Amino acid sequence: AQTVTQSQPEMSVQEAETVTLSCTYDTSESDYYLFWYKQPPSRQMILVIRQEAYKQQNATENRFSVNFQKAAKSFSLKISDSQLGDAAMYFCAYRSRRRGGADGLTFGKGTHLIIQP
Amino acid sequence: NAGVTQTPKFQVLKTGQSMTLQCAQDMNHNSMYWYRQDPGMGLRLIYYSASEGTTDKGEVPNGYNVSRLNKREFSLRLESAAPSQTSVYFCASSEGLDRLVNYGYTFGSGTRLTVV
Repeated sequence: AQTVTQSQPEMSVQEAETVTLSCTYDTSESDYYLFWYKQPPSRQMILVIRQEAYKQQNATENRFSVNFQKAAKSFSLKISDSQLGDAAMYFCAYRSRRRGGADGLTFGKGTHLIIQP
Repeated sequence: NAGVTQTPKFQVLKTGQSMTLQCAQDMNHNSMYWYRQDPGMGLRLIYYSASEGTTDKGEVPNGYNVSRLNKREFSLRLESAAPSQTSVYFCASSEGLDRLVNYGYTFGSGTRLTVV
């Protein structure tokens, strides 16, 4: 079974600064997907960014980018130019390709990101 | 609007009562899931249905049952609610990997359940 670890229960950053959220995972598989989800106080789960394990290039989405280190099984999220609207819980998640990917996501415990004005 | 609809949004139960959480998706997704979210624990998979007619246990299935009524609907039943089942419950759906558009999942808005 896969495990996902987020070692930072809470992070705080000044508005307009850059922050990096850490995520490590454990798997014996070679092909999989990794995600970062954002959960604001509304409880809605919002996909922030995804990474396919077979791609060496790190994914980017506007102010959000990842540092994917497959050998180290590390998948960190960098948020540049932090905005007040970025304040939320952030979850790292793993999706296996086994059984066509139908087995569900495995989540980390989350990092609570606070943006200081 | 297309998406995943969960009902109810809030519920308070007494210990021992039963209830069913309803979930429906209109995206023609094959797979559907039930997760629970507890403080400091992230989301944990309760049960899932890889396709219509199949269901499988996830990480924390004890105390729950599910029914995949048809391709659209996937319900979660608590037969005898316990205080340990106080949580926020999320339903989600997903395409199979052979038809991925965003590779991710679509989540419902959650049900906050309190068992007293």
